[in-house]
Amino acid sequence: GAVVSQHPSWVICKSGTSVKIECRSLDFQATTMFWYRQFPKQSLMLMATSNEGSKATYEQGVEKDKFLINHASLTLSTLTVTSAHPEDSSFYICSARISSYNEQFFGPGTRLTVL
Amino acid sequence: QKEVEQDPGPLSVPEGAIVSLNCTYSNSAFQYFMWYRQYSRKGPELLMYTYSSGNKEDGRFTAQVDKSSKYISLFIRDSQPSDSATYLCATRLTGGGNKLTFGTGTQLKVEL
Repeated sequence: GAVVSQHPSWVICKSGTSVKIECRSLDFQATTMFWYRQFPKQSLMLMATSNEGSKATYEQGVEKDKFLINHASLTLSTLTVTSAHPEDSSFYICSARISSYNEQFFGPGTRLTVL
Repeated sequence: QKEVEQDPGPLSVPEGAIVSLNCTYSNSAFQYFMWYRQYSRKGPELLMYTYSSGNKEDGRFTAQVDKSSKYISLFIRDSQPSDSATYLCATRLTGGGNKLTFGTGTQLKVEL
């Protein structure tokens, strides 16, 4: 149980385009989902915390107008990278938390390459 | 100073060796400690979750927490090539909205 999926697993796009990444909790309801970014050989950096039905809370330094997060249901959160640039190329990972537990379950990640 | 410090490695050991992975943290308010394993191009997988100081064992894995020195460790006994991965330590505050603070990860390679 407690499986989190992400789609797509990898994406290549041109600079200036927008990319949407989906995060789904497959066998549980997640009231809270988290979005992380990981650069090569670096740790996971929390970008934002998303609660179902409310606006996401962004970490300091993360542009909310560039990284749009929508958590429309208890099983789906989306991250849209708007007007992507090469410096946005990274590994984006989501995680989901079951409301009654403290543990976060991570998705497999999405590798974004912006040309 | 980073809140969680971890030697990035790489650490290379022979199969069957005991592996010791370590992290230090600076914020004494951190109360929960976790170790994640991350294979290349995959998301992290929770290995161990501890709250108090002391040891917690699960199969070949032992997590150790020393809050007095702000030091956490993960020991892997009888290491296998399949253990080759990046190991991330993470900490969390009590009531901190479940926000995790990660170390940079230690890359481990277990060689035949």
